[in-house]
Amino acid sequence: DTGVSQDPRHKITKRGQNVTFRCDPISEHNRLYWYRQTLGQGPEFLTYFQNEAQLEKSRLLSDRFSAERPKGSFSTLEIQRTEQGDSAMYLCASSLGQSKNYGYTFGSGTRLTVV
Amino acid sequence: DQQVKQNSPSLSVQEGRISILNCDYTNSMFDYFLWYKKYPAEGPTFLISISSIKDKNEDGRFTVFLNKSAKHLSLHIVPSQPGDSAVYFCAASPDSNYQLIWGAGTKLIIKP
Repeated sequence: DTGVSQDPRHKITKRGQNVTFRCDPISEHNRLYWYRQTLGQGPEFLTYFQNEAQLEKSRLLSDRFSAERPKGSFSTLEIQRTEQGDSAMYLCASSLGQSKNYGYTFGSGTRLTVV
Repeated sequence: DQQVKQNSPSLSVQEGRISILNCDYTNSMFDYFLWYKKYPAEGPTFLISISSIKDKNEDGRFTVFLNKSAKHLSLHIVPSQPGDSAVYFCAASPDSNYQLIWGAGTKLIIKP
């Protein structure tokens, strides 16, 4: 197991286009998280899954954003009708649900640039 | 409304000396605090944590101190090494859902 994988590493898209990112968590981890990080800021929580169930969504996750984890393994994050304000690093992390030290393992992120 | 604040965007320390990174929080309901380290082009990696029932936790060269009355925590790195040069994030957990609230980070530069 090589850790949390995110694909693509970089994405440049024109405003108004749809984009989809993929995250493959550590195989035995049942929790999966999406965070967004803009320049000079810490990561901001977007949503998380326990197995295939999406248990919490941040108010940052507008209607243009949707996340899925169909079989409790990999997850996708889709942004429809992208805006320049969506430009950020999108980070995925996974953990074991019962791990009180959180044990988050992050992927290297997908950097989105909307032009 | 920044619940977790790291007021120093950057810090420069001589190799071998102590690095002290600070973090303040406003929410008294936070019960768990963590420090993450981030290198460029990589995701954050977990460094050390502390529960609100403790005031100190030590792991090798890294020690985290928690002052609940002041709502302040700090990370001490001693001795500092060149490989410690990275951005350090303080994060806190407000509830059992493991959502983390993050500070903006402090860029630590270790000078040879």
